[in-house]
Order: sequence, then structure tokens, then C-alpha cells
Amino acid sequence: ETGVTQTPRHLVMGMTNKKSLKCEQHLGHNAMYWYKQSAKKPLELMFVYSLEERVENNSVPSRFSPECPNSSHLFLHLHTLQPEDSALYLCASSQEGALEQYFGPGTRLTVT
Amino acid sequence: QKEVEQNSGPLSVPEGAIASLNCTYSDRGSQSFFWYRQYSGKSPELIMFIYSNGDKEDGRFTAQLNKASQYVSLLIRDSQPSDSATYLCAVDYGGSQGNLIFGKGTKLSVKP
Repeated sequence: ETGVTQTPRHLVMGMTNKKSLKCEQHLGHNAMYWYKQSAKKPLELMFVYSLEERVENNSVPSRFSPECPNSSHLFLHLHTLQPEDSALYLCASSQEGALEQYFGPGTRLTVT
Repeated sequence: QKEVEQNSGPLSVPEGAIASLNCTYSDRGSQSFFWYRQYSGKSPELIMFIYSNGDKEDGRFTAQLNKASQYVSLLIRDSQPSDSATYLCAVDYGGSQGNLIFGKGTKLSVKP
């Protein structure tokens, strides 16, 4: 256990659905990240929050909407996704200013 | 385009041998380098990081960094079947908080 939890662990949704992924870290960190991991592709950084403010948005489509209400929680709101969005979505956290990131177990998302 | 390159493998070594995993990166300005281990169906786990040229040892693992050659490697001594996993190299290119670029990973198989 790394101290980063994610729910749900598996999610199947239709293209017209709206769902949210949740991440919680118990490490006392103050930076949090969303990554996408697809087969045969490297991990892709989607969003970075540092001290609860978004500092990075790597050209992610607007159908993905992050929310960071406090330094321990991070959400990824999903709406009108496409089948190519099916992937493993990973949350990570770190101390602000530090580079070592610790990952949660991920949410396996399937869009039908 | 900032890139991190790894041989996808699979790299197969016998139990007890030294496994050598390699990674090259494109940006000379990179300062920080990370190795993550990812078991099948699991999330990445940080196992080593290195910031200075030379070697850094932690148990059976040694990270080696050569900034002049833009090359970072991970050596695993006395390889065990439990080391069988995909090893991800990640490079921090500076800029905003935690902007790691990951390679696609090298799959290692340790045969008993």
C-alpha cells in the first residue's frame, strides 16, 4: 500500500454517461496528479495540482474535468467519453517541490 | 519533443543473473531520473531515483546516470523471479511541478 487510494477500481460506462473518479492520499502530500495509461503507450500526464491549484493541463480534452477540493482529494469528472478513452487512470501524489511521485492502484475504465 | 526511450523487451535473464535496463532521454537539461516497477495489472511503484552523475545503490538495485551521454540505467543483481515486471524510466524536464515524462517501459522476465 502506498497511501494513495482510488475508487472505483473498475468502471464501465456508456458514451453518454457522466461519472467521477476519486483519489485520496494519506501521505501528507500537497501535489496530486492524474495520468492515463493505455496499452503500448507511455504514461501520459493529464493534470497536476499543487497546493490545490492546477498547474498543468497537458492538452486534455474538455470531456475530462479535474477537481481538487483540498490537498488530500482529487477527482476526475468524466462526460461524453469516447471508446478510445478506455484506459487505466492513475492518480499520484508528491510533496510540493519534490519529484518522487507515489501512485494509487488505478481505475480501469472501459467506455462502451 | 521531449522523449524517453526504452527497449520494450522482453528482456529475459536467468535467476541469479544481473539484469541491465537502459533508458535514453532527449533533453540535456534534465536533472532528475526515476525508475518505477510495474507488475502486470498493478500501478507503478517507485524503486529508485538519481540526480547526480555516477552510481546509486540500494540493496540489489543500482541506478547509473551519465548526463553527457543522456543515459540512465538500472542494474538488478541476483535477479529473482519476483523481479519479473515492466520497468518504467521517468525523466523530469523541469518547468512546472512534477512534469515527468515516462518511457514505454521494458518488460523483464527472470526465469527460475
